Amino acid sequence: QVQLVQSGAEVKKPGASVKVSCMTSGYTFTGYYMHWVRQAPGQGLEWMGRINPNSGDTHSAQKFQGRVTFTRDTSINTAYMELSSLRFEDTAVYYCARGYGSWYYLEHWGQGTLVTVSS
Amino acid sequence: DIQMTQSPSTLSASVGDSVTITCRASQSVSVWLAWYQQRPGKAPQLLIQKASSLESGVPSRFSGSGSGTDFTLTISSLQPEDSATYYCQHYNSFSCGFGQGTKVEIK
Repeated sequence: QVQLVQSGAEVKKPGASVKVSCMTSGYTFTGYYMHWVRQAPGQGLEWMGRINPNSGDTHSAQKFQGRVTFTRDTSINTAYMELSSLRFEDTAVYYCARGYGSWYYLEHWGQGTLVTVSS
Repeated sequence: DIQMTQSPSTLSASVGDSVTITCRASQSVSVWLAWYQQRPGKAPQLLIQKASSLESGVPSRFSGSGSGTDFTLTISSLQPEDSATYYCQHYNSFSCGFGQGTKVEIK
């Protein structure tokens, strides 16, 4: 079965960077876009962007452009999201989620990674 | 950007009731709309895509309808495990966006 397993919780200081991993199994990693969605405490879902694991091509929401980097390692079927210049308002649960082919709806989700930005 | 507006923000209903959540897009999204359920402390789960296509394993009491700008998610006979927040999402092959969510509570 499809599984997405994310790395553990992180605590970072303002201005630092965080890198979250998403290890996949149960499907062909290069066949589906991987998306990243975040959810601030008590708030709704916010799409951050996606990577095409086959080509490495990425697309990020305008809000995060210049601050977020999506990468992947096809040898271990793992996707990564790195967010830099962290601010207090970046405190959120970050999810990886597999799309359906190149469509931007999200069939399978990781368990989420809490990133806390605190001084 | 396309804005998605859900209503109501919160609803409270009894077990066995039929409930309907509305999602309105700021411009036509054709049928490219998905619905997700998020239980407290859990990741979202895809319920419906392409406005009305039920995902495998999702109970048949969930149904979706609509096209263009107006969509609905209906739970035909509310169960205790349906207590959750529901999100609509417009999508295509180059963008997406979520509604603000509707919290469903069981009386």
